[in-house]
Amino acid sequence: QLQLQESGPGLVKPSETLSLTCTVSGGSIGSSSDHWGWIRQPPGKGLEWIGSIFHGGSTLYNPSLKSRVTMSVDTSKNQFALKLTSVTAADAAAYYCARRRLVAVAGPVHAFDIWGQGTMVTVSS
Amino acid sequence: QSVLTQPPSASGTPGQRVTISCSGSSSNIGNNGVNWYQQLPGTAPKLLIYSNNQRPSGVPDRFSGSKSGTSASLAISGLQSEDEAGYYCEAWDDSLNNPVFGTGTNVIVL
Repeated sequence: QLQLQESGPGLVKPSETLSLTCTVSGGSIGSSSDHWGWIRQPPGKGLEWIGSIFHGGSTLYNPSLKSRVTMSVDTSKNQFALKLTSVTAADAAAYYCARRRLVAVAGPVHAFDIWGQGTMVTVSS
Repeated sequence: QSVLTQPPSASGTPGQRVTISCSGSSSNIGNNGVNWYQQLPGTAPKLLIYSNNQRPSGVPDRFSGSKSGTSASLAISGLQSEDEAGYYCEAWDDSLNNPVFGTGTNVIVL
């Protein structure tokens, strides 16, 4: 069964770069039918899509974060990564990685069907 | 960037039926399928309904989804204490060219 696990520092200083890794186990990150995303959730607030990375390495980012976000994939390690530069207190959140898969051909419709447990990131000096 | 609007909360007593709305526009719900996620306290979201009204394996049939025009709804029938959670709708937005989540609804079991 596919599982995702986020890892990275839980504390980042303001103006520095947040770096997180998502390790995929129980399956291959190289499947052409899947792509991978990052979603965050500030304490007590809703979900915000950060970006997605597709088979082959192409990316799509939330326009509101695009200037600060970089996503990459390492198929040899079955991992994908998130970098967010120039962080502020507004970037403090639980960060989730998730698989996005085609769930319905009619449409078509994709959904985040498998999620990591999440990792909390605090921004403080 | 929540372009999908949900009521902040909904409540009911055990056994009741609770409905949660998700309001969007022609660029998202009106033209694309809607997914729903359940987030139990302190845990990651879980896919609950996909493509408007389909349940993944293992999701009880107490949960059902529907869509009409630019709005979607999630219904929980026979409400149980373990249904107390946050619920989020999600759909692809053709104008933004990315997925968008709803504002989220906390369901409280009285």
